[in-house]
Amino acid sequence: NAGVTQTPKFQVLKTGQSMTLQCAQDMNHEYMSWYRQDPGMGLRLIHYSVGAGITDQGEVPNGYNVSRSTTEDFPLRLLSAAPSQTSVYFCASSPQGFGGYTFGSGTRLTVV
Amino acid sequence: QQQVKQSPQSLIVQKGGISIINCAYENTAFDYFPWYQQFPGKGPALLIAIRPDVSEKKEGRFTISFNKSAKQFSLHIMDSQPGDSATYFCAAKNGAGSYQLTFGKGTKLSVIP
Repeated sequence: NAGVTQTPKFQVLKTGQSMTLQCAQDMNHEYMSWYRQDPGMGLRLIHYSVGAGITDQGEVPNGYNVSRSTTEDFPLRLLSAAPSQTSVYFCASSPQGFGGYTFGSGTRLTVV
Repeated sequence: QQQVKQSPQSLIVQKGGISIINCAYENTAFDYFPWYQQFPGKGPALLIAIRPDVSEKKEGRFTISFNKSAKQFSLHIMDSQPGDSATYFCAAKNGAGSYQLTFGKGTKLSVIP
């Protein structure tokens, strides 16, 4: 099992560009979520999904969009990148009934 | 409003010593309290977790102490080793039926030889 796979690992964007961060899991987990990690701020929830076709906003959703068309994939879209979105992004998943989170290895994004 | 307060922000411990990280929460609906360990360049990984009907859970050198009345829980790392140097996050799950975890801001632990 690969677990939770995030791509790319590193990305540099110019202000105003858009991009999609990919997240895929092969554990048939019902719940998937996106967090951003910034120094001194811990992990903050951006968006989450409790199943295919169902998404909802977390603590810091502005500037991000998500969709969940399959159980396996949960991409995060940056609509118009801003320097404030420079961060490390983590995708996490959890099985039905909750069994703790499995995190991906992260995407380090820099917006210049 | 931060719902899980974690302290200290950073901690330096001698090899062989005890590392203690504390967390406090306000929401009495929280029903699951995990600790995550994160090494540089990696994603967080579940270390140990406890439910509020248990006061203590031990796994090897790692122990969670839970005080329901005080709404506090802590991680103790016994015989700390340089390999334990990492960032530790406490978290709390938002009640029955929820998948959401609220995280503390993290503690950077350095274990020096």
